[in-house]
Amino acid sequence: EDQVTQSPEALRLQEGESSSLNCSYTVSGLRGLFWYRQDPGKGPEFLFTLYSAGEEKEKERLKATLTKKESFLHITAPKPEDSATYLCAVGRYGGSQGNLIFGKGTKLSVKP
Amino acid sequence: NAGVTQTPKFQVLKTGQSMTLQCAQDMNHNSMYWYRQDPGMGLRLIYYSASEGTTDKGEVPNGYNVSRLNKREFSLRLESAAPSQTSVYFCASKSLGSGGTDTQYFGPGTRLTVL
Repeated sequence: EDQVTQSPEALRLQEGESSSLNCSYTVSGLRGLFWYRQDPGKGPEFLFTLYSAGEEKEKERLKATLTKKESFLHITAPKPEDSATYLCAVGRYGGSQGNLIFGKGTKLSVKP
Repeated sequence: NAGVTQTPKFQVLKTGQSMTLQCAQDMNHNSMYWYRQDPGMGLRLIYYSASEGTTDKGEVPNGYNVSRLNKREFSLRLESAAPSQTSVYFCASKSLGSGGTDTQYFGPGTRLTVL
């Protein structure tokens, strides 16, 4: 069964304390791994798409990496405004019209 | 360019009442989606529309109907609301990126409470 698992469920960091969020997946034919940021009361905001193992993408303090079994979202020197829930999703070849399977998210809190 | 818009933002219904959630996108996307998000459950797909004139069931379609009105608009209808349908509903639309991959863009959500 195709599955996406994110860990930890919640993460508390001090401002400037770097860390990583994990997204492990089991899917028959990966058609892209997606990272989203979701602020309270708002819709998910697209961050990155990774297509193949070894690929990396960066945006400000965020860096996403991908292996054949998992993806990491590295946060370097986080600031309080990085506090949000981070969602991971995978697309599948053979899945209906590129439908995504979402993980349950990691809630990140960054304290000043 | 507003992206994906949803109306209403909030709604309270009584059990058995009906309502329609509206979604529109101005990005000229072909595919549109309806999700629900519940605490501890993640986002779950209710229905999707691959293109104008087509709709298909997702993971949790029971109790819902959809209409793809035109390329821009995709509505979700609750015919007889139940407390189990209390949730946050998100609409999304999809672009086709390079290499055949897909990126979905989400609206701000509708927060629905069924009493």
